[in-house]
Amino acid sequence: GQQVMQIPQYQHVQEGEDFTTYCNSSTTLSNIQWYKQRPGGHPVFLIQLVKSGEVKKQKRLTFQFGEAKKNSSLHITATQTTDVGTYFCALHAGGTSYGKLTFGQGTILTVHP
Amino acid sequence: NAGVTQTPKFRILKIGQSMTLQCTQDMNHNYMYWYRQDPGMGLKLIYYSVGAGITDKGEVPNGYNVSRSTTEDFPLRLELAAPSQTSVYFCASSYTGGGRNEQFFGPGTRLTVL
Repeated sequence: GQQVMQIPQYQHVQEGEDFTTYCNSSTTLSNIQWYKQRPGGHPVFLIQLVKSGEVKKQKRLTFQFGEAKKNSSLHITATQTTDVGTYFCALHAGGTSYGKLTFGQGTILTVHP
Repeated sequence: NAGVTQTPKFRILKIGQSMTLQCTQDMNHNYMYWYRQDPGMGLKLIYYSVGAGITDKGEVPNGYNVSRSTTEDFPLRLELAAPSQTSVYFCASSYTGGGRNEQFFGPGTRLTVL
């Protein structure tokens, strides 16, 4: 099956610092999705990236899809305590597995006020 | 719309007992999924369904069964519960059309097997 590595596993930052999580796949992807899970909550969809080299922004969050469509990153500028949670990338295999996602292990972000 | 609903929210089972986790979605999504999430870990796919009457195994199907008789409902059955099945179970649904297939998750069922 598809392999996905997400790093780092944990990140502790002071409020106002930046944060980045990376997702790497062993295969070329049709697209990649990012989800956020608040402590005790359920995953919530953030964004989907489809095109090679794509960059999308949502306020302080910047998402990038690698040129080779094998890696992606999520960058948060000037973190706030509301950013606390686990960030997952999810790989979409496409083809006959359309709809199925393989989730990374997630990066747990802690923000100290 | 309620989105994806799951019952129960919490459950404690004894080893060897059985139970059904309920999942319902009101978004007319064709795909539905069951995941388990162990503490500090990612989501592992147990079973999924591409439509009523069609189900398929995911990454960790052993010890579970599913059925999908309607578009809305996708129950997960645990037979002969084991401590290794202690986890948080999430049901999700998605609409796979128009190139957008984000998954919508239910609030989860927290299961402990003792």
